[in-house]
Amino acid sequence: KQEVTQIPAALSVPEGENLVLNCSFTDSAIYNLQWFRQDPGKGLTSLLLIQSSQREQTSGRLNASLDKSSGRSTLYIAASQPGDSATYLCAVLTSGSARQLTFGSGTQLTVLP
Amino acid sequence: ETGVTQSPTHLIKTRGQQVTLRCSSQSGHNTVSWYQQALGQGPQFIFQYYREEENGRGNFPPRFSGLQFPNYSSELNVNALELDDSALYLCASSSAGGYGYTFGSGTRLTVV
Repeated sequence: KQEVTQIPAALSVPEGENLVLNCSFTDSAIYNLQWFRQDPGKGLTSLLLIQSSQREQTSGRLNASLDKSSGRSTLYIAASQPGDSATYLCAVLTSGSARQLTFGSGTQLTVLP
Repeated sequence: ETGVTQSPTHLIKTRGQQVTLRCSSQSGHNTVSWYQQALGQGPQFIFQYYREEENGRGNFPPRFSGLQFPNYSSELNVNALELDDSALYLCASSSAGGYGYTFGSGTRLTVV
């Protein structure tokens, strides 16, 4: 059974700092890995999707890497801003009874002005 | 291109009642998945629908059921509500390959 772990559970940083969020998964047989952002009480916004054959993806100040063999991914946020404050969720797409996403519990990020 | 739309946004039900949640998929997407997110947790897979049939289910009891319609929209039905069913219910649509998922804003269900 696939399990996804995110560390740390919560993180508080001053504005402008670069930061790294970590995600690990137990089964390397994944189709892809996706990072999402969730604001309080809201749905999920997709940030980056990395196919299993890829090593990284970049979008603006965000960079996500994937090491499938070791079961790890990182999300790097450059020059953090207060608007980046949210919960960041990592999810892997695997084949169970259907292709399904397995999520971590998220990292709650607070960027202080 | 429209995104995923869910209704209602909030709902309060009494234990033992039944509830129906609705989801309209993103244009061009024919697969719909439902997830349950308890407070402080990541979403948990409930089930997936493709071509109007359930083609996968997570670890949820049969009182969680669903439908998919010819226009790819979907419903999630929960019978005999329990207090632990209180959660944010998220709908996600994808294309048949299921590689990229688009999520709706969710329905917040509170069971009292």
